[in-house]
Amino acid sequence: DAKTTQPPSMDCAEGRAANLPCNHSTISGNEYVYWYRQIHSQGPQYIIHGLKNNETNEMASLIITEDRKSSTLILPHATLRDTAVYYCIVKTNAGKSTFGDGTTLTVKP
Amino acid sequence: GAVVSQHPSRVICKSGTSVKIECRSLDFQATTMFWYRQFPKQSLMLMATSNEGSKATYEQGVEKDKFLINHASLTLSTLTVTSAHPEDSSFYICSARIAGWDTEAFFGQGTRLTVV
Repeated sequence: DAKTTQPPSMDCAEGRAANLPCNHSTISGNEYVYWYRQIHSQGPQYIIHGLKNNETNEMASLIITEDRKSSTLILPHATLRDTAVYYCIVKTNAGKSTFGDGTTLTVKP
Repeated sequence: GAVVSQHPSRVICKSGTSVKIECRSLDFQATTMFWYRQFPKQSLMLMATSNEGSKATYEQGVEKDKFLINHASLTLSTLTVTSAHPEDSSFYICSARIAGWDTEAFFGQGTRLTVV
């Protein structure tokens, strides 16, 4: 599965949009981009995934560049509860998830 | 959404004893379950992939005789840490893939194991 690169940490003001980038320049054509988050001492939580089209659900939006080499997870109105480690993973649907170090997002009041 | 439940959420055991951790899919059938380990301030590391009715596939460096995985039904997988030592103290997390779906896995809440 392709590797991903994420910034180690980011801050965001409460109520503002949080934009979390992820680079996956070696992604294969059949690999999806998945995003999860992990709040301290809990299991990861699925957020969203996509192949090449932008996706939106009740939690977030996923923007994938046309060449699919990078993506951005957008939390439109960050709250304090969104403080967590966010993991970007690229894999086939049936593949296993390889977690990198993720981005620690801190939402500040 | 689909729910995966782990039990226990916390366990303390003596060195040399064995500990069993259960992972249940509560409202769906899971043909595949995954077991991860996470040390403090580190990311999740996949230990093994468990398919119902067959032997688990272990990742490189994970001792299959020490971490026994059983996936006897479509709703239950167990991880047994045998002859536990303090260095086995960690956060163990399972996830499950819904049968017939090829999409995201759902994660349990994790089990904090402390070996004293």
